[in-house]
Amino acid sequence: EDQVTQSPEALRLQEGESSSLNCSYTVSGLRGLFWYRQDPGKGPEFLFTLYSAGEEKEKERLKATLTKKESFLHITAPKPEDSATYLCAVRTNGGSQGNLIFGKGTKLSVKP
Amino acid sequence: EPEVTQTPSHQVTQMGQEVILRCVPISNHLYFYWYRQILGQKVEFLVSFYNNEISEKSEIFDDQFSVERPDGSNFTLKIRSTKLEDSAMYFCASRGAQFGPGELFFGEGSRLTVL
Repeated sequence: EDQVTQSPEALRLQEGESSSLNCSYTVSGLRGLFWYRQDPGKGPEFLFTLYSAGEEKEKERLKATLTKKESFLHITAPKPEDSATYLCAVRTNGGSQGNLIFGKGTKLSVKP
Repeated sequence: EPEVTQTPSHQVTQMGQEVILRCVPISNHLYFYWYRQILGQKVEFLVSFYNNEISEKSEIFDDQFSVERPDGSNFTLKIRSTKLEDSAMYFCASRGAQFGPGELFFGEGSRLTVL
């Protein structure tokens, strides 16, 4: 069965304290890994797409990387506005476009 | 900035009642989706819709569920006879052809509470 596991479940950082979020996956065939951000009471907001091991994407203080078994979302010098739940999702060989399998997310809190 | 809009934001219904959740996708998008998120759980795929027909549906999307694009702008999810376990946040999403297969634009969700 295809699975996506995110760790930690929750992460508290001080402003400026860099860290990484982990997304490990066990799938029949990976056709893309996606990172989303979800604010409380809102829908997920797309951040990155990664397709192959070794690929990296960056946006402001966020950098996403991909290996054959996991992905990391690195947050450099976070600010309070980075506080949100970060979701990892995969598309597999068995799924059509837009059929994504999500992890439970990592809830990030950044304190000033 | 264009966005996906959903109504109602919150609906409370009695078990066994029919519910229709409405969505207005981004205007030039062609691919439409419904996802749900039970409180504290993962976001789960329900159904994808393209060219006026269902492309794929999950095991959750049984005969009690249906989707429709009744006109050029709305996309609806109907639950025929609601159950307690249908209580969840339902997200509509859309995607334009110019975006990758996992780059979905989600609405803010409709919270369904079944009593």
